[in-house]
Amino acid sequence: DVKVTQSSRYLVKRTGEKVFLECVQDMDHENMFWYRQDPGLGLRLIYFSYDVKMKEKGDIPEGYSVSREKKERFSLILESASTNQTSMYLCASRSGQSSYEQYFGPGTRLTVT
Amino acid sequence: GESVGLHLPTLSVQEGDNSIINCAYSNSASDYFIWYKQESGKGPQFIIDIRSNMDKRQGQRVTVLLNKTVKHLSLQIAATQPGDSAVYFCAENPPSNMLTFGGGTRLMVKP
Repeated sequence: DVKVTQSSRYLVKRTGEKVFLECVQDMDHENMFWYRQDPGLGLRLIYFSYDVKMKEKGDIPEGYSVSREKKERFSLILESASTNQTSMYLCASRSGQSSYEQYFGPGTRLTVT
Repeated sequence: GESVGLHLPTLSVQEGDNSIINCAYSNSASDYFIWYKQESGKGPQFIIDIRSNMDKRQGQRVTVLLNKTVKHLSLQIAATQPGDSAVYFCAENPPSNMLTFGGGTRLMVKP
């Protein structure tokens, strides 16, 4: 079974702090994604990566950056956390070879105070 | 931009009854569709998928129906159980190959 893990289930940070959210997948998937999930808005794509050291902006990249130094790990960085970044953050991976299904991690609920 | 939407934000059903969750998608060129289930405190889990060259696909207690004429997708759950209580959302795969997700429907199963 594909396993996608996220470093924290719950995180509380202060406004202005730098925040790192880590995601690791164990299936050698090429593609990885970061979403945020908010009530009534569904999943919105922040950034994705097709392969190591490659990244592409999604629909809402402002205030975020990402890092993909190794194939199995995709990090989401909030350079200076703000209260409107309080949300559920979901990481997903996909094999990238004629496969559309994305496998999700358990999510990180981030609260910025 | 393109969007996937759901008709009912909350669906309440009696245990043992069948459930039908609906989804309207917007891109007629989408070639693949997925239903995900998300339980409280967990990430979304794959339930069933269907390609655009099919109009029906069955799994264990679940059936997905695709009507391309009206761009409508539905998920049917037979003999709904308490463990089926969750948020369900659909996703479509447009030509960009970036899944677009709906907002979700909460299914509540009454004992």
